Amino acid sequence: GENVEQHPSTLSVQEGDSAVIKCTYSDSASNYFPWYKQELGKRPQLIIDIRSNVGEKKDQRIAVTLNKTAKHFSLHITETQPEDSAVYFCAARGYGGSQGNLIFGKGTKLSVKP
Amino acid sequence: NAGVTQTPKFQVLKTGQSMTLQCAQDMNHNSMYWYRQDPGMGLRLIYYSASEGTTDKGEVPNGYNVSRLNKREFSLRLESAAPSQTSVYFCASSGKPWDRGGNTIYFGEGSWLTVV
Repeated sequence: GENVEQHPSTLSVQEGDSAVIKCTYSDSASNYFPWYKQELGKRPQLIIDIRSNVGEKKDQRIAVTLNKTAKHFSLHITETQPEDSAVYFCAARGYGGSQGNLIFGKGTKLSVKP
Repeated sequence: NAGVTQTPKFQVLKTGQSMTLQCAQDMNHNSMYWYRQDPGMGLRLIYYSASEGTTDKGEVPNGYNVSRLNKREFSLRLESAAPSQTSVYFCASSGKPWDRGGNTIYFGEGSWLTVV
């Protein structure tokens, strides 16, 4: 089955700096890669996603890149703000049956210092 | 439109007790899920239901049972709670992958369960 590795587990940046979180996946058939943000005590919420037929996607200060050959994808946050502080999870999903379920990475705790 | 609603929000159980976590969604989604979240372990799938009337095991199903009561409701039961089941439990749902936005998984607010 799919296995998703996420790095780093913690990340501390100064406000205004950029943050990058990287994930690798094992199943070459995986075709959907979302990123979720979870604030302390809250539910995870989707912030951006990318399909396997796209190499990059942007939404204001956040972007996701996908390298299918290397089987890794990354979240980029530019001009970080204190409200970006949260735990971020990457996930990968294959196609069909049980492979169609999302498999999550273990999360990255991002701290943005004012 | 409440999205995904789960109860209870907090529960303390004694070892060996049983309980059921309730979940309902009002988005007409076919798929529903139960995840558990433990520190440093991310979100792990316990059981899922791809459609009304079907349920399947996820990554960590041992010690749990589920029921897809109808399209809206998906419950998780702990028959004999153990301290290892102390965790935060999230119910979630999603639409059809080929529908616009159908890939998005929507989570409930979580249920904090402590087994002593």
